Amino acid sequence: AQKITQTQPGMFVQEKEAVTLDCTYDTSDPSYGLFWYKQPSSGEMIFLIYQGSYDQQNATEGRYSLNFQKARKSANLVISASQLGDSAMYFCAMRDLAGTGGFKTIFGAGTRLFVKA
Amino acid sequence: GAVVSQHPSWVICKSGTSVKIECRSLDFQATTMFWYRQFPKQSLMLMATSNEGSKATYEQGVEKDKFLINHASLTLSTLTVTSAHPEDSSFYICSASPPTVNTEAFFGQGTRLTVV
Repeated sequence: AQKITQTQPGMFVQEKEAVTLDCTYDTSDPSYGLFWYKQPSSGEMIFLIYQGSYDQQNATEGRYSLNFQKARKSANLVISASQLGDSAMYFCAMRDLAGTGGFKTIFGAGTRLFVKA
Repeated sequence: GAVVSQHPSWVICKSGTSVKIECRSLDFQATTMFWYRQFPKQSLMLMATSNEGSKATYEQGVEKDKFLINHASLTLSTLTVTSAHPEDSSFYICSASPPTVNTEAFFGQGTRLTVV
């Protein structure tokens, strides 16, 4: 069975500093995708970054980078130069790409990030 | 990116009534859509997979007679909360992806349901 674990319920970071949000996963699927989403108080899910299980390089999207450690089954999100607008809930997610699980996307418990001025 | 539209954004209904929530893919066809439920300060929990032209696949513990899902066309899935009760109050959100896109799941805006 697939599982996503986020062990940090809340994190504080000073504005302009970098922060790492942890995510570990478990799956027996050979092909999967890992995602990070941001959810502000409005409730919308904002896609941040994607990492495929076969990708050799860590994904980067602007201030977001994904530290993918396949052997350790971790996919930590690094946000550089934090901004006040980064304060939100962050979810790590995993999608079965082989179809064995019906292409479902499952989510971790989330980490609430607070950016301090 | 692809656009998924969900309607209504919020709804208040009386206990015992039914509520229908729509999820539309605006610029792509989706043979599969997913419905999630999110309680305050909690994660998104997958309720069911909506399959165009066939029955939905429900996750363990989700009452299929309570949460009716219909996926009658390639761009529309509906979730009907039947005989709603206060404990059904939650944030419901759908997602879908174009068939050729695996690298992102596109989400609707979500529906905040309050049952009074």
